[in-house]
Amino acid sequence: QITLKESGPTLVKPTQTLTLTCTFSGFSLSTSGVGVGWIRQPPGKALEWLALIYWDDDKRYSPSLKSRLTITKDTSKNQVVLTMTNMDPVDTATYYCAHVFGYSYGYVKAFDIWGQGTMVTVSS
Amino acid sequence: QSALTQPASVSGSPGQSITISCTGTSSDVGSYNLVSWYQQHPGKAPKLMIYEVSKRPSGVSNRFSGSKSGNTASLTISGLQAEDEADYYCCSYAGSSGGYVFGTGTKVTVL
Repeated sequence: QITLKESGPTLVKPTQTLTLTCTFSGFSLSTSGVGVGWIRQPPGKALEWLALIYWDDDKRYSPSLKSRLTITKDTSKNQVVLTMTNMDPVDTATYYCAHVFGYSYGYVKAFDIWGQGTMVTVSS
Repeated sequence: QSALTQPASVSGSPGQSITISCTGTSSDVGSYNLVSWYQQHPGKAPKLMIYEVSKRPSGVSNRFSGSKSGNTASLTISGLQAEDEADYYCCSYAGSSGGYVFGTGTKVTVL
Protein backbone atom coordinates (compact mmCIF):
# COMPACT_ATOMS: atom_id res chain seq x y z
CA GLN A 1 0.00 0.00 0.00
CA ILE A 2 1.43 3.34 -1.08
CA THR A 3 1.14 6.27 1.30
CA LEU A 4 2.66 9.74 1.30
CA LYS A 5 2.70 12.44 3.95
CA GLU A 6 3.82 16.02 3.71
CA SER A 7 5.47 17.90 6.56
CA GLY A 8 6.93 21.33 7.10
CA PRO A 9 6.21 24.73 8.63
CA THR A 10 2.66 26.02 8.71
CA LEU A 11 3.77 29.65 8.71
CA VAL A 12 6.64 31.35 6.91
CA LYS A 13 7.52 35.00 6.55
CA PRO A 14 7.76 36.80 3.21
CA THR A 15 11.19 36.42 1.56
CA GLN A 16 11.96 33.29 3.59
CA THR A 17 12.69 29.89 2.08
CA LEU A 18 10.13 27.12 2.49
CA THR A 19 11.30 23.55 2.95
CA LEU A 20 8.74 20.76 2.68
CA THR A 21 9.34 17.06 3.15
CA CYS A 22 7.36 14.22 1.62
CA THR A 23 7.80 10.95 3.50
CA PHE A 24 6.46 7.92 1.69
CA SER A 25 6.07 4.18 2.04
CA GLY A 26 5.04 1.30 -0.18
CA PHE A 27 7.53 2.04 -2.95
CA SER A 28 11.19 2.88 -3.47
CA LEU A 29 12.62 5.83 -5.35
CA SER A 30 15.49 3.63 -6.42
CA THR A 31 13.14 1.52 -8.56
CA SER A 32 13.13 2.23 -12.28
CA GLY A 33 10.13 4.24 -13.44
CA VAL A 34 9.21 5.63 -10.03
CA GLY A 35 8.68 9.31 -9.33
CA VAL A 36 7.23 11.80 -6.85
CA GLY A 37 5.66 15.14 -7.68
CA TRP A 38 4.59 18.26 -5.81
CA ILE A 39 1.36 20.13 -6.48
CA ARG A 40 -0.12 23.08 -4.60
CA GLN A 41 -3.56 24.61 -4.20
CA PRO A 42 -4.22 28.12 -2.88
CA PRO A 43 -7.36 28.39 -0.75
CA GLY A 44 -10.42 28.16 -2.97
CA LYS A 45 -8.33 27.97 -6.13
CA ALA A 46 -7.09 25.42 -8.63
CA LEU A 47 -4.30 22.88 -8.46
CA GLU A 48 -0.88 23.89 -9.77
CA TRP A 49 1.93 21.47 -10.62
CA LEU A 50 5.29 22.46 -9.15
CA ALA A 51 7.96 19.80 -9.62
CA LEU A 52 8.75 16.13 -10.23
CA ILE A 53 11.72 13.92 -9.41
CA TYR A 54 12.36 10.49 -10.88
CA TRP A 55 14.27 7.45 -9.64
CA ASP A 56 17.23 8.36 -11.83
CA ASP A 57 17.39 11.86 -10.27
CA ASP A 58 15.89 13.47 -13.38
CA LYS A 59 14.09 16.61 -12.19
CA ARG A 60 11.35 18.65 -13.84
CA TYR A 61 10.04 22.04 -12.74
CA SER A 62 7.12 24.31 -13.51
CA PRO A 63 8.46 26.85 -16.01
CA SER A 64 6.89 29.75 -14.10
CA LEU A 65 8.48 28.75 -10.77
CA LYS A 66 11.65 27.05 -11.90
CA SER A 67 13.98 29.74 -10.58
CA ARG A 68 12.60 29.38 -7.06
CA LEU A 69 12.25 25.60 -6.75
CA THR A 70 14.62 22.78 -5.90
CA ILE A 71 13.53 19.15 -5.55
CA THR A 72 15.77 16.46 -4.08
CA LYS A 73 15.40 12.90 -2.88
CA ASP A 74 16.84 10.81 -0.07
CA THR A 75 16.29 7.24 -1.14
CA SER A 76 17.54 5.78 2.14
CA LYS A 77 14.96 7.77 4.11
CA ASN A 78 12.14 7.40 1.58
CA GLN A 79 11.81 11.18 1.40
CA VAL A 80 11.52 13.88 -1.22
CA VAL A 81 12.26 17.48 -0.27
CA LEU A 82 10.97 20.59 -2.03
CA THR A 83 12.45 24.00 -1.33
CA MET A 84 10.91 27.24 -2.54
CA THR A 85 12.80 30.47 -2.13
CA ASN A 86 11.62 34.04 -1.68
CA MET A 87 8.17 33.15 -0.37
CA ASP A 88 5.34 35.62 -0.91
CA PRO A 89 1.78 35.79 0.44
CA VAL A 90 0.53 34.55 -2.95
CA ASP A 91 2.35 31.28 -2.21
CA THR A 92 -0.10 30.58 0.61
CA ALA A 93 -1.53 27.20 -0.28
CA THR A 94 -1.97 23.55 0.58
CA TYR A 95 1.04 21.69 -0.75
CA TYR A 96 0.60 18.07 -1.84
CA CYS A 97 3.10 15.42 -2.80
CA ALA A 98 1.98 12.58 -5.04
CA HIS A 99 3.25 9.28 -6.43
CA VAL A 100 3.38 9.18 -10.21
CA PHE A 101 2.95 6.16 -12.42
CA GLY A 102 3.34 5.07 -15.97
CA TYR A 103 6.79 6.52 -16.64
CA SER A 104 7.86 6.48 -20.27
CA TYR A 105 10.38 8.59 -22.17
CA GLY A 106 10.46 11.39 -19.63
CA TYR A 107 6.78 11.70 -18.84
CA VAL A 108 4.28 10.00 -16.58
CA LYS A 109 0.67 9.06 -17.08
CA ALA A 110 -0.78 10.58 -13.91
CA PHE A 111 -0.47 11.38 -10.23
CA ASP A 112 -2.15 8.32 -8.79
CA ILE A 113 -1.66 8.46 -5.01
CA TRP A 114 -1.71 11.76 -3.10
CA GLY A 115 -0.69 12.76 0.38
CA GLN A 116 -3.14 14.54 2.65
CA GLY A 117 -1.50 17.91 1.99
CA THR A 118 0.02 20.48 4.29
CA MET A 119 -1.21 24.07 4.55
CA VAL A 120 1.43 26.77 4.39
CA THR A 121 0.63 30.41 5.16
CA VAL A 122 2.96 33.18 4.13
CA SER A 123 2.57 36.21 6.37
CA SER A 124 4.66 38.61 8.38
CA GLN B 1 2.05 27.78 -19.69
CA SER B 2 -1.55 28.72 -18.95
CA ALA B 3 -4.07 26.69 -17.01
CA LEU B 4 -6.44 24.55 -19.01
CA THR B 5 -9.93 26.05 -19.25
CA GLN B 6 -12.85 24.34 -17.55
CA PRO B 7 -16.38 25.59 -16.86
CA ALA B 8 -16.67 26.92 -13.32
CA SER B 9 -19.70 24.82 -12.56
CA VAL B 10 -21.86 22.04 -13.94
CA SER B 11 -24.99 20.65 -12.37
CA GLY B 12 -27.37 17.79 -12.93
CA SER B 13 -30.10 15.77 -11.28
CA PRO B 14 -29.53 12.31 -9.86
CA GLY B 15 -29.41 9.72 -12.64
CA GLN B 16 -28.57 12.25 -15.34
CA SER B 17 -25.33 12.51 -17.28
CA ILE B 18 -23.09 15.55 -17.28
CA THR B 19 -19.97 16.42 -19.24
CA ILE B 20 -17.10 18.63 -18.15
CA SER B 21 -14.89 20.13 -20.83
CA CYS B 22 -11.18 20.89 -20.55
CA THR B 23 -9.75 23.12 -23.25
CA GLY B 24 -6.04 23.48 -23.81
CA THR B 25 -3.79 24.14 -26.75
CA SER B 26 -1.84 22.29 -29.40
CA SER B 27 1.10 22.33 -26.97
CA ASP B 28 -0.64 20.28 -24.32
CA VAL B 29 -4.02 18.57 -24.70
CA GLY B 30 -3.81 18.59 -28.48
CA SER B 31 -0.37 17.01 -28.62
CA TYR B 32 -0.49 14.25 -26.04
CA ASN B 33 -2.91 11.55 -24.97
CA LEU B 34 -1.83 12.24 -21.41
CA VAL B 35 -4.92 13.90 -19.99
CA SER B 36 -5.95 12.87 -16.50
CA TRP B 37 -8.92 13.83 -14.34
CA TYR B 38 -9.09 14.25 -10.56
CA GLN B 39 -12.02 14.41 -8.16
CA GLN B 40 -11.66 16.48 -5.00
CA HIS B 41 -14.15 16.59 -2.17
CA PRO B 42 -13.99 19.55 0.22
CA GLY B 43 -10.99 19.38 2.52
CA LYS B 44 -9.69 16.22 0.88
CA ALA B 45 -6.80 15.37 -1.40
CA PRO B 46 -7.52 14.88 -5.11
CA LYS B 47 -8.31 11.37 -6.35
CA LEU B 48 -7.33 10.08 -9.77
CA MET B 49 -10.42 9.20 -11.83
CA ILE B 50 -9.18 8.99 -15.43
CA TYR B 51 -5.73 8.77 -17.02
CA GLU B 52 -4.47 8.68 -20.61
CA VAL B 53 -7.68 10.43 -21.73
CA SER B 54 -10.05 7.52 -21.16
CA LYS B 55 -8.58 4.86 -18.89
CA ARG B 56 -9.98 4.20 -15.43
CA PRO B 57 -7.81 3.16 -12.48
CA SER B 58 -8.87 0.07 -10.63
CA GLY B 59 -11.74 0.84 -8.28
CA VAL B 60 -13.13 3.85 -10.14
CA SER B 61 -16.74 3.47 -11.19
CA ASN B 62 -17.46 2.89 -14.87
CA ARG B 63 -19.90 5.78 -14.64
CA PHE B 64 -16.85 7.96 -15.24
CA SER B 65 -15.54 8.14 -18.78
CA GLY B 66 -13.16 10.38 -20.69
CA SER B 67 -12.57 11.43 -24.25
CA LYS B 68 -10.65 13.94 -26.32
CA SER B 69 -11.10 15.80 -29.55
CA GLY B 70 -8.44 18.17 -30.77
CA ASN B 71 -7.44 20.54 -27.99
CA THR B 72 -10.42 19.69 -25.78
CA ALA B 73 -10.77 16.77 -23.39
CA SER B 74 -14.00 15.81 -21.67
CA LEU B 75 -15.10 13.94 -18.58
CA THR B 76 -18.57 12.44 -18.55
CA ILE B 77 -20.31 11.26 -15.42
CA SER B 78 -23.32 9.09 -16.14
CA GLY B 79 -25.98 8.08 -13.66
CA LEU B 80 -25.11 11.06 -11.48
CA GLN B 81 -25.11 10.32 -7.75
CA ALA B 82 -25.00 12.53 -4.69
CA GLU B 83 -21.48 11.33 -3.91
CA ASP B 84 -20.28 12.71 -7.24
CA GLU B 85 -20.74 16.26 -5.95
CA ALA B 86 -17.16 17.56 -5.83
CA ASP B 87 -14.61 19.64 -7.68
CA TYR B 88 -13.03 18.10 -10.78
CA TYR B 89 -9.71 19.01 -12.34
CA CYS B 90 -8.17 17.98 -15.62
CA CYS B 91 -4.44 17.79 -16.14
CA SER B 92 -2.31 17.45 -19.26
CA TYR B 93 1.31 16.81 -20.05
CA ALA B 94 2.74 19.86 -21.83
CA GLY B 95 6.04 18.53 -23.08
CA SER B 96 9.50 18.33 -21.59
CA SER B 97 9.71 22.08 -21.14
CA GLY B 98 6.10 22.68 -20.06
CA GLY B 99 5.74 19.84 -17.62
CA TYR B 100 2.19 19.38 -16.40
CA VAL B 101 -0.68 21.84 -16.45
CA PHE B 102 -3.92 21.59 -14.49
CA GLY B 103 -7.32 22.93 -15.38
CA THR B 104 -9.17 25.76 -13.67
CA GLY B 105 -11.50 23.30 -11.96
CA THR B 106 -15.21 22.58 -12.18
CA LYS B 107 -17.64 22.35 -9.31
CA VAL B 108 -20.20 19.63 -9.90
CA THR B 109 -23.50 20.05 -8.10
CA VAL B 110 -26.08 17.30 -7.82
CA LEU B 111 -29.46 18.97 -7.68
